[in-house]
Amino acid sequence: DAGITQSPRHKVTETGTPVTLRCHQTENHRYMYWYRQDPGHGLRLIHYSYGVKDTDKGEVSDGYSVSRSKTEDFLLTLESATSSQTSVYFCAIRSPGSSYEQYFGPGTRLTVT
Amino acid sequence: DQQVKQNSPSLSVQEGRISILNCDYTNSMFDYFLWYKKYPAEGPTFLISISSIKDKNEDGRFTVFLNKSAKHLSLHIVPSQPGDSAVYFCAASARGSGGSNYKLTFGKGTLLTVNP
Repeated sequence: DAGITQSPRHKVTETGTPVTLRCHQTENHRYMYWYRQDPGHGLRLIHYSYGVKDTDKGEVSDGYSVSRSKTEDFLLTLESATSSQTSVYFCAIRSPGSSYEQYFGPGTRLTVT
Repeated sequence: DQQVKQNSPSLSVQEGRISILNCDYTNSMFDYFLWYKKYPAEGPTFLISISSIKDKNEDGRFTVFLNKSAKHLSLHIVPSQPGDSAVYFCAASARGSGGSNYKLTFGKGTLLTVNP
């Protein structure tokens, strides 16, 4: 158990509303990542963080923003949710001392109606 | 363009037989490869990895083979068990100067079904 929690685990929201997903880790790891998983697309990187207040874009960052004010929390915000953002969102951390392995949280299923 | 490709969306095998899952990549800068397993309603879990300086890595029933010249890797599961039924993702990363921030690029996944 990598000590990663995500909240909420499920959310239904309406188009145009803002949504924030939270990822919390108890491992004090530097690197954190947000992915989305969609049928036929696998896992795609949205944003990642390499330290407090240090973030960068992944391959599908449009429509998303992130913040990391504390080592343990990495927030993903959809400023104005769209139906195309209906997905399962996973947070991951990279374990130091390993090579490139990332460890994933349980996921948040988001439905935008 | 898809840099990591898993061309078989699904695979079905009998319990006790070998499962072979394949993955191809196009980015010659990739030098570290991983396999993840994912059950429904759970997060992906790390399974096994291999560095480009090796051509084989084994962990119990799981073996990953890397063919750098063909830009191809495969995951062998022997013997396959019903509990192995899951989606398997191949992932790759590029080290090197400038830093990749340890980002992973994933394939689309292969659904493995092991029949009793």
